[in-house]
Amino acid sequence: TQTVSQSDAHVTVFEGDSVELRCNYSYGGSIYLSWYIQHHGRGLQFLLKYYSGNPVVQGVNGFEAEFSKSDSSFHLRKASVHWSDSAVYFCAVSANTGYQNFYFGKGTSLTVIP
Amino acid sequence: EAAVTQSPRNKVAVTGGKVTLSCNQTNNHNNMYWYRQDTGHGLRLIHYSYGAGSTEKGDIPDGYKASRPSQENFSLILELATPSQTSVYFCASGDHISNERLFFGHGTKLSVL
Repeated sequence: TQTVSQSDAHVTVFEGDSVELRCNYSYGGSIYLSWYIQHHGRGLQFLLKYYSGNPVVQGVNGFEAEFSKSDSSFHLRKASVHWSDSAVYFCAVSANTGYQNFYFGKGTSLTVIP
Repeated sequence: EAAVTQSPRNKVAVTGGKVTLSCNQTNNHNNMYWYRQDTGHGLRLIHYSYGAGSTEKGDIPDGYKASRPSQENFSLILELATPSQTSVYFCASGDHISNERLFFGHGTKLSVL
């Protein structure tokens, strides 16, 4: 059974703060891990992904994520958030073969106070 | 940039009525997906397709049918809509070779009264 867990439903920080959004997964086999962002009233947009190699991957707008096999985690971080980063963030896992599905966590709503 | 277009953007339906949600992608992707998004549940997979003519059940297929008449188009059909199907529906497409990421449409907000 594939599961993706995002432990924080809501996170609130001030502009300029750092933030970490947590993601833990349970999935057998070789996988892709990814993060998506959803601004209010919009569809999900891809932020970044990890498959292999350097466990720290860089995404758009200063976001990065770090993979940990021992913790089964793929946490998303940003050093200094902007009010426009307020959105819902989804962690996702998929197998690295073409005919497999994507499984999403329930999302973390990030609010950045200006 | 890959494009996924959903129609309509908003829909109000009556209980027992038939609803068809349409999705078109210009990415030439084999894989297409229908998700619904509800508070507290995140994204849940309803149906998916690996190419024209194929449809597969996802995690919550009851009450829904899907149709993939062509590479570009993937429809979600509610034959007898119920208030519990009030939700926001997202279509997505993905490349079957890399399976690295999904491209999402803007969503359809469906209200069943």
